[in-house]
Amino acid sequence: LAKTTQPISMDSYEGQEVNITCSHNNIATNDYITWYQQFPSQGPRFIIQGYKTKVTNEVASLFIPADRKSSTLSLPRVSLSDTAVYYCLVGDLGGNTPLVFGKGTRLSVIA
Amino acid sequence: DTEVTQTPKHLVMGMTNKKSLKCEQHMGHRAMYWYKQKAKKPPELMFVYSYEKLSINESVPSRFSPECPNSSLLNLHLHALQPEDSALYLCASSQGVGVHNEQFFGPGTRLTVL
Repeated sequence: LAKTTQPISMDSYEGQEVNITCSHNNIATNDYITWYQQFPSQGPRFIIQGYKTKVTNEVASLFIPADRKSSTLSLPRVSLSDTAVYYCLVGDLGGNTPLVFGKGTRLSVIA
Repeated sequence: DTEVTQTPKHLVMGMTNKKSLKCEQHMGHRAMYWYKQKAKKPPELMFVYSYEKLSINESVPSRFSPECPNSSLLNLHLHALQPEDSALYLCASSQGVGVHNEQFFGPGTRLTVL
């Protein structure tokens, strides 16, 4: 199981772009990278998932370098409502890989 | 309907009580999960059901007993819990098991064991 490492916390001002990097040095060939967002007292919410290069959706972008040993979640122009914990998860397509949440990054957006 | 519902929202129980947490989804998902989350910690996987069969049990104490009566429902039966079991219990579902399947989480049940 690929272990992930993220910064414990980050602060940002409103309107700025925020980049959260996740390290996963022992990622396997079949592993995907998935990010979830969690607000206080709520369940996590899927943000984005990717395998290589770049993935973009209406919420965020995910950048994955060629060696795939790290990935960066990019949140454009954050607002106060983006204050949450962001989790990076790595795992394969097989049904036997449980979803293991790392410690996550607590993002605080300041006005 | 992309919602996972959980009842009750809050539960306070004594160490000798028996209670149950309920989870329901109507997205046709065939995998359902129970997680436990302590304050300021990440969710910890407890159980995974795939096609109504228990496929993963992460060495959870027997005082927690999961049940999947049908593909839409998931229960967690609680008996003789300890104060350290107080936590937010999250239910989730996905189309299949595996990290590439987006998991949809419920709002959780906040459990307090006295």
